[in-house]
Amino acid sequence: GAGVSQSPSNKVTEKGKDVELRCDPISGHTALYWYRQSLGQGLEFLIYFQGNSAPDKSGLPSDRFSAERTGGSVSTLTIQRTQQEDSAVYLCASSLAQGPYEQYFGPGTRLTVT
Amino acid sequence: KQEVTQIPAALSVPEGENLVLNCSFTDSAIYNLQWFRQDPGKGLTSLLLIQSSQREQTSGRLNASLDKSSGRSTLYIAASQPGDSATYLCAVWGYSGGGADGLTFGKGTHLIIQP
Repeated sequence: GAGVSQSPSNKVTEKGKDVELRCDPISGHTALYWYRQSLGQGLEFLIYFQGNSAPDKSGLPSDRFSAERTGGSVSTLTIQRTQQEDSAVYLCASSLAQGPYEQYFGPGTRLTVT
Repeated sequence: KQEVTQIPAALSVPEGENLVLNCSFTDSAIYNLQWFRQDPGKGLTSLLLIQSSQREQTSGRLNASLDKSSGRSTLYIAASQPGDSATYLCAVWGYSGGGADGLTFGKGTHLIIQP
């Protein structure tokens, strides 16, 4: 079946602009996760959603970052007033349920802030 | 706070060799440990998941072991092939400490298999 999909695959934006990154999880997976992978750094956990429940936002790096999940499926990660340090690959993953289940990752969105 | 370390950071070996990648974590209170593979410009592919109650998992030429008490895992790759060239990531799912809940990753081992 279809895996996790993300769009766009690449995004170049000017500093100060807002960007939206999209994630479409595997059908039937109720848990969805966002991670950030910066150059030379490991993957950093940002936020997760379980079904329609309110997400745990404590991993988001600043209040310029927000995320939502509509209908318990597609999720959008929004970065407002982008900064150069936001340049990274943003990865989305889904799993059958929230908790220590195997996570399946999408191909990522490479964000470059100029 | 959980920290995951992978050694070596990079490894280059001739084709056909057996090799071991190491992963260590500071907090032994984990549910599971997962090994991933990441190819350039692509997402992560799950290779093996070891539950905290397990000692090892095998898939084809890959074998992963887990020693939770000492905070260590190894990924053994037998008869390496050029197609194994990738970055290998280790990640643990720890008990939620009341904060964000998700996998904690190491920085990876960049593996090159020379033909």
